[in-house]
Formats: sequence, structure tokens, C-alpha cells
Amino acid sequence: GAGVSQSPRYKVAKRGQDVALRCDPISGHVSLFWYQQALGQGPEFLTYFQNEAQLDKSGLPSDRFFAERPEGSVSTLKIQRTQQEDSAVYLCASSSRDSWDEQFFGPGTRLTVL
Amino acid sequence: RKEVEQDPGPFNVPEGATVAFNCTYSNSASQSFFWYRQDCRKEPKLLMSVYSSGNEDGRFTAQLNRASQYISLLIRDSKLSDSATYLCVVSFTGGGNKLTFGTGTQLKVEL
Repeated sequence: GAGVSQSPRYKVAKRGQDVALRCDPISGHVSLFWYQQALGQGPEFLTYFQNEAQLDKSGLPSDRFFAERPEGSVSTLKIQRTQQEDSAVYLCASSSRDSWDEQFFGPGTRLTVL
Repeated sequence: RKEVEQDPGPFNVPEGATVAFNCTYSNSASQSFFWYRQDCRKEPKLLMSVYSSGNEDGRFTAQLNRASQYISLLIRDSKLSDSATYLCVVSFTGGGNKLTFGTGTQLKVEL
């Protein structure tokens, strides 16, 4: 079946631009996570949704970062006024209610801020 | 101090060798433990969960020592296709089910 998909796969933004990154989780998966992976590092947690409810946003690095999942399916991560330090791969993962610990990751969006 | 620490490597080993990776975690409330594999420019994929009793999946053996807050992964008879970055991952009670990753250990298996 279809896995987690993300778009765009690559995004180049000029410093100060706003960007929106999309995640389509596996159909029926209740939980959705966003992670940020800088070069040479492991992924770091940004935020977590259960259905449409954002239950944890403790990892968002600043108020320039905003995530939503209005209908409990597709999610968008928005970054306002991008900075060079935002350059990273943004990974989305989803998990089902029954196996809530196993997270399936999408291919990521590689963001480069010039 | 990072919550999950790993030796970044790289570990360069010949095909057929046995290689071991170690990981320590700092949060004693950690509840679930995993090894993920990440190929270059790809997403992380679950390799195996780690249980207190230790568990094996083919050539891969994972062990957990809760008292020492230490996790290990042993790969026997390594193959060229095992070349990847291995990420040590924990989740903890009260943390929802968000995952905390180590920086990863890079393995290169050579002819």
C-alpha cells in the first residue's frame, strides 16, 4: 500500500520567504509527527498530532514554525521568514492507533535557505 | 549532554565481519527502544525494537540494559548492503510517543 508521502521533495527559499511543507500520512493513521534533521545529525522532534489535535509542539524551534492538520489527515508545516539555520530535511512520520510506537517515515523535504 | 549518545563512526569493516554499536540514554523514564536504519539521503526505517530480554532477527541482535541505560546492536556476517547509518532511538513515559534519536553511527562494509 501507499506509504507516507511528502511534497515538495526539494525546496530552495531565499532568506525571509515563507514556505509550506505538506505531509500525506498513511491512510487511517491517527498519529502524525514532524521531525527536523540537520546534516550529520539524527532527526529531532518538532510536533505531534493525534487526529486533528496538536498534542505536543514543544520541539518547534521558534514562533516562525507552525503546523496544522485541520481534518486529521494531511498536515502542513509552515515556516515564516525563513533563516539559513532552517536549512534541513523535514521528515513526517505517521503511526496507527494499534501500533502507536512504530512510526513510518516519509521521504522528507530537503529545505535549503539561501 | 544529548539524551541519546552514539559513537558517530564511521565503522569501516570487511564483508563477513561482526560489528557492534553501542548507545546510552540519559532519561531513566525511557520506555521503548529501537534501532532504525537510514540509507544515504533516505528516510529512517525501523530495523528492530529492543527488549529487556534481548532479541534477535537473523544476523541482528539487540540488547538493552536498563540499569546501565545502555543499548547495543550486533551485526554478524556483515554484508555490503548493511552499509548505512544506524540510529539508536528511545521514547519515554510522559513523552507521548515522540521518538528521541541519537546522531547515528555510520557503517561501511567493504569487499
